[in-house]
Amino acid sequence: EDQVTQSPEALRLQEGESSSLNCSYTVSGLRGLFWYRQDPGKGPEFLFTLYSAGEEKEKERLKATLTKKESFLHITAPKPEDSATYLCAVQARSGNTGKLIFGQGTTLQVKP
Amino acid sequence: EAGVAQSPRYKIIEKRQSVAFWCNPISGHATLYWYQQILGQGPKLLIQFQNNGVVDDSQLPKDRFSAERLKGVDSTLKIQPAKLEDSAVYLCASSRKTGTSGGGEQYFGPGTRLTVT
Repeated sequence: EDQVTQSPEALRLQEGESSSLNCSYTVSGLRGLFWYRQDPGKGPEFLFTLYSAGEEKEKERLKATLTKKESFLHITAPKPEDSATYLCAVQARSGNTGKLIFGQGTTLQVKP
Repeated sequence: EAGVAQSPRYKIIEKRQSVAFWCNPISGHATLYWYQQILGQGPKLLIQFQNNGVVDDSQLPKDRFSAERLKGVDSTLKIQPAKLEDSAVYLCASSRKTGTSGGGEQYFGPGTRLTVT
């Protein structure tokens, strides 16, 4: 069964304190791994798509990496506005469905 | 480019009542998804449409949930009768990808928060 597990569930950082969020996955053939940001009361906002092991993508203070079993979202020198829940999702290669299988998310709080 | 629109944003109903949610996807996006997000969990797919047709409804509780996408644009999701465990945020998403390739980034609306009392 396709599955996504994120850790930690919650993370508190001081402004400027870099860290990483983990996304472990099992999927019957990976079509893509997606990272989303979700603010309270809003829908998930697309951040990155990774397709193959070794791929990396960056956006401002965020950098996403992918291996065959997990993905990391590295946050460098975070600011309070980076506080949000970060969701990881995988899309399986089998079938013609675009279904995303999400993890439970990591809630990040950055204190000034 | 306008994002995915959903209404209402909030709804409170009693159990056994019915409720409907509306979604307007991003213009030109052929694929539309409805997800259910229970508090503290990630979204779970309920149904996927490609144009007018259903691609995946394997996790839709068909005894109480129904959805339609007329003319390949707007979509409605209905619950009848509602149960307490249906309390959740219902998210609509759309993507540009068509055909059997699936895939592609999905863009989400703000969601409808449903409370069943």
